[in-house]
Amino acid sequence: EPEVTQTPSHQVTQMGQEVILRCVPISNHLYFYWYRQILGQKVEFLVSFYNNEISEKSEIFDDQFSVERPDGSNFTLKIRSTKLEDSAMYFCASSLGLAGGRGTDTQYFGPGTRLTVL
Amino acid sequence: AQSVAQPEDQVNVAEGNPLTVKCTYSVSGNPYLFWYVQYPNRGLQFLLKYITGDNLVKGSYGFEAEFNKSQTSFHLKKPSALVSDSALYFCAVRVSTGANNLFFGTGTRLTVIP
Repeated sequence: EPEVTQTPSHQVTQMGQEVILRCVPISNHLYFYWYRQILGQKVEFLVSFYNNEISEKSEIFDDQFSVERPDGSNFTLKIRSTKLEDSAMYFCASSLGLAGGRGTDTQYFGPGTRLTVL
Repeated sequence: AQSVAQPEDQVNVAEGNPLTVKCTYSVSGNPYLFWYVQYPNRGLQFLLKYITGDNLVKGSYGFEAEFNKSQTSFHLKKPSALVSDSALYFCAVRVSTGANNLFFGTGTRLTVIP
């Protein structure tokens, strides 16, 4: 069964450094997402991406964040200058894109990347 | 605004007994409701969803959930719990006319006791 994959599984970085988290969505999916989960808190939406542009983003997704689909398979989340409060588990998800990606689509999640900012 | 509440942080049940994991939601519009399960060091795995139609939906691993519009609930159930069901369960909602993103509850840790 196709799966969303993410690398690395754990990333440790110094405050102020840039990090890139990588995801390979399910191959025939058209919508891509990033969520994060700070330890002990709920999973929060960051951004959705369709047709090579951001379709929605949350208040969390400020100018420090960017997303890109650099080729036909990868989907990346870049944090330009990490802060301590960026430490979290970051989940990538993808969905098929039926009905414009809305409503009935199921989002399938990757295993996550644990980001630790020191 | 959309929100999901999972009132129980922890649910313990004996193996073989029925289990229920509770979820209530608040949306402005028609809800689409989802359950995901998270095993240690794994991502969120889709279990089931309610979009429309029959209020009782069946999903993976013998789980089912009942949509109750009047009580704004979508409780997850299984007739006979297995030790392997022990995991973290998340309820999520999105609005049929709204954005793509899911709103998650805080999660309920289910422990099935042998």
